Amino acid sequence: EVQLVESGGGLIQPGGSLRLSCAASGFTFSSFPMTWVRQAPGKGLEWVSDISGSGGNTYYPDSVKGRFTISRDNSKDTVFLQMNILRAEDTAVYYCARGGFGVPTDYWGQGTLVTVSS
Amino acid sequence: QAAVTQEPSLTVSPGGTVTLTCGSSTGAVTSGHYPFWFQQKPGQAPRTLIYDTSNKYFWTPARFSGSLLGGKAALTLSGAQPEDEAEYYCLLSYNVARVFGGGTKLTVL
Repeated sequence: EVQLVESGGGLIQPGGSLRLSCAASGFTFSSFPMTWVRQAPGKGLEWVSDISGSGGNTYYPDSVKGRFTISRDNSKDTVFLQMNILRAEDTAVYYCARGGFGVPTDYWGQGTLVTVSS
Repeated sequence: QAAVTQEPSLTVSPGGTVTLTCGSSTGAVTSGHYPFWFQQKPGQAPRTLIYDTSNKYFWTPARFSGSLLGGKAALTLSGAQPEDEAEYYCLLSYNVARVFGGGTKLTVL
């Protein structure tokens, strides 16, 4: 059974940093790209980042480029999202999902809440 | 960055048929945008219903179907059930970026 479990969310002050993790199980992790998607309270979904199965290719929208970094450890079946220079508008539930460019996004985690506030 | 548009809200009667659409600010939506459709109910994570325009997963109810219609991606629900009341999002791919639509709140009433 495919499972994705996010962790690392919490309350952080503006300008701070946070690293999210997504632990995967039930499939050959290194064979799949992975995606982070976020959802601000009461708002829609926003694509945050993709990473290829090898980790060699990463993609971001302009809203997070230069502040967020996606990475993965295929030996630990885990994908990460390092978030720096956090802003109030980064407050959201962050979901990881299996799939990305070239591979359909199918399974989703339950999300982890990040709140950026002083 | 491209903008993806969806109807903010739609209503369908139980047993009825409704079509949700997904447009692109850059022009016609094609299969090259690899359209996805997701369903999200309050307090839950999204669930993927359709990928690559019209392909379904084993968990996708048969009453949902995807297509291209009039330059847009479309999600058709035939025989709506009360449990289909939810927010529906489309996702389009553009080279090295992916953009979600704003979502359609579907009411079954």
